[in-house]
Amino acid sequence: KNEVEQSPQNLTAQEGEFITINCSYSVGISALHWLQQHPGGGIVSLFMLSSGKKKHGRLIATINIQEKHSSLHITASHPRDSAVYICAVKAGQGGSEKLVFGKGTKLTVNP
Amino acid sequence: GAGVSQSPRYKVAKRGQDVALRCDPISGHVSLFWYQQALGQGPEFLTYFQNEAQLDKSGLPSDRFFAERPEGSVSTLKIQRTQQEDSAVYLCASSKFLPRRGEKLFFGSGTQLSVL
Repeated sequence: KNEVEQSPQNLTAQEGEFITINCSYSVGISALHWLQQHPGGGIVSLFMLSSGKKKHGRLIATINIQEKHSSLHITASHPRDSAVYICAVKAGQGGSEKLVFGKGTKLTVNP
Repeated sequence: GAGVSQSPRYKVAKRGQDVALRCDPISGHVSLFWYQQALGQGPEFLTYFQNEAQLDKSGLPSDRFFAERPEGSVSTLKIQRTQQEDSAVYLCASSKFLPRRGEKLFFGSGTQLSVL
């Protein structure tokens, strides 16, 4: 079982719809990242969370440390939001700085 | 520079050939990571540098993989005697301080390596 599981794997939505992408992890963490990857492009960091909720424009990220779960929400989705969204966690113990990534959720927003 | 720069953008190698992949992090960034991303998968950790010190190389898949950052800025990932299973996108990321301080990570566009 992967340490970081994302759902759904693929998501297709119509422009304007509210999107939710989920991330569950099995290890204790000190931080969780949400990242965006466009086809052929690099990865852009969207949020870094250790507790609570963060909002940036139409994007909202929440984390529940007790339940080991995080969600990324996109309000009023737009075709330009089409990308792969990746959840990554930094383990809370051991001093390692590495991130463990989920496999990503491919989002397609149709006009 | 304005962002993390990786070169080459694409590399095709014959099986058995040695390759060198370059990463120019954002100037002044202390932390530098290399990740390997196979097709359809999330990135997987290879190695981590804090300045010139390689503090974690636990993700390097074999002794054919070697990374260095001799002056604490530019880093090179070298793969010797490439194999087909080495085909992947190699991503470099940097952050200003230590990730444990919650610093944002900045990623390069990656080098897509194809081993024939």
